[in-house]
Amino acid sequence: EVQLVESGGGLVQPGGSLRLSCAASGFTFSSYWMHWVRQAPGKGLVWVSRINSDGSSTSYADSVKGRFTISRDNAKNTLYLQMNSLRAEDTAVYYCARDHLNAFDYWGQGTLVTVSS
Amino acid sequence: SYELTQPPSVSVSPGQTARITCSGDALPKQYAYWYQQKPGQAPVLVIYKDSERPSGIPERFSGSSSGTTVTLTISGVQAEDEADYYCQSADSSGTHVVFGGGTKLTVL
Repeated sequence: EVQLVESGGGLVQPGGSLRLSCAASGFTFSSYWMHWVRQAPGKGLVWVSRINSDGSSTSYADSVKGRFTISRDNAKNTLYLQMNSLRAEDTAVYYCARDHLNAFDYWGQGTLVTVSS
Repeated sequence: SYELTQPPSVSVSPGQTARITCSGDALPKQYAYWYQQKPGQAPVLVIYKDSERPSGIPERFSGSSSGTTVTLTISGVQAEDEADYYCQSADSSGTHVVFGGGTKLTVL
């Protein structure tokens, strides 16, 4: 059974940093591109970032470029999102999702990040 | 930046057909995908590559594409279909993923 479990969310002050993790199981993690998608409270889905299967290529939404870094450890079957210089507008539930032929076919349950003083 | 446009809300009675549209300039070049999200839950893929249905998704869910608009059709809507629906695609270069703003489907 495919499982994606996010962790690392919490309350952080503006300007602070946080690292999210997404532990994958039930599939060959190293074969799939992965994404982070976020959803602010009461708002829609917003794509954040993606990484290819071996970690050699990444892409970011303009809103997070230069502040967030996506990475992965295929030996640990884990996806990461390092978030720096956090702003109030980064407050959201962050989901990791598996990319299968450009479709997000499996999603984690999400982890809440709250940026507030 | 590239945008996908969806109606904020659609309402139908049980048993009727619901159609949710998604418009974007790059849709003739890029496939569209549809997700269903119920309150407090993660999204679920219901249509991929414009019109393909993943295993386990009821046959009443279908997708179509025409020019710069893609449409999610739910035939014989049931109460359990009440949810938010999001289209997703990519910009013309395929570099950036984009979601539509979402459509709240209300079953009257």
